[in-house]
Amino acid sequence: DAGVTQSPTHLIKTRGQQVTLRCSPKSGHDTVSWYQQALGQGPQFIFQYYEEEERQRGNFPDRFSGHQFPNYSSELNVNALLLGDSALYLCASSLWADPTNEKLFFGSGTQLSVL
Amino acid sequence: QKEVEQDPGPLSVPEGAIVSLNCTYSNSAFQYFMWYRQYSRKGPELLMYTYSSGNKEDGRFTAQVDKSSKYISLFIRDSQPSDSATYLCAPQFYGNNRLAFGKGNQVVVIP
Repeated sequence: DAGVTQSPTHLIKTRGQQVTLRCSPKSGHDTVSWYQQALGQGPQFIFQYYEEEERQRGNFPDRFSGHQFPNYSSELNVNALLLGDSALYLCASSLWADPTNEKLFFGSGTQLSVL
Repeated sequence: QKEVEQDPGPLSVPEGAIVSLNCTYSNSAFQYFMWYRQYSRKGPELLMYTYSSGNKEDGRFTAQVDKSSKYISLFIRDSQPSDSATYLCAPQFYGNNRLAFGKGNQVVVIP
């Protein structure tokens, strides 16, 4: 059983460009969350998708947007990239019905570097 | 005031030592208190969690929560080189999948 898979693993972009990151959740999971982890920091919640709708959003600007597809996979889009967007972007999948996050799993992340 | 405060200072200990990690949080509505372990270039993985105040033990790991002081602790007994990782505390609300992470503690266990 493949866990949470993210692509690509590494990405280099320049300021002002746009980027799309992809995530496939663990089999059987229906909820996808995205986190940003800057170097030396803990992950920061960006947003969460369930039933193809954004259900919660953290304190991130509108440049960050997402989508969930009928097969539960998800994309994170970032427009007008800034140097400060350089970070590890983590996807986490879980079950909407699980109130404890005991079965929440993270992928290995996409390392985004903005030059 | 940040939701979760965790002193990120790296911690180096000899193999077999007891490792003590802690966090403080500001929101008294948090009910579940998770500890994640993150190896270099990997995503965090759930180590253990506790509900409300009290202690929970899992092998060499013990988690403690004191809701009256909003203080979370993790103890690792008989530490092993394989315990070398970053440990992240993450309290959460019941029924809400959003995790609020601390900065993490980098632990190095020296053989």
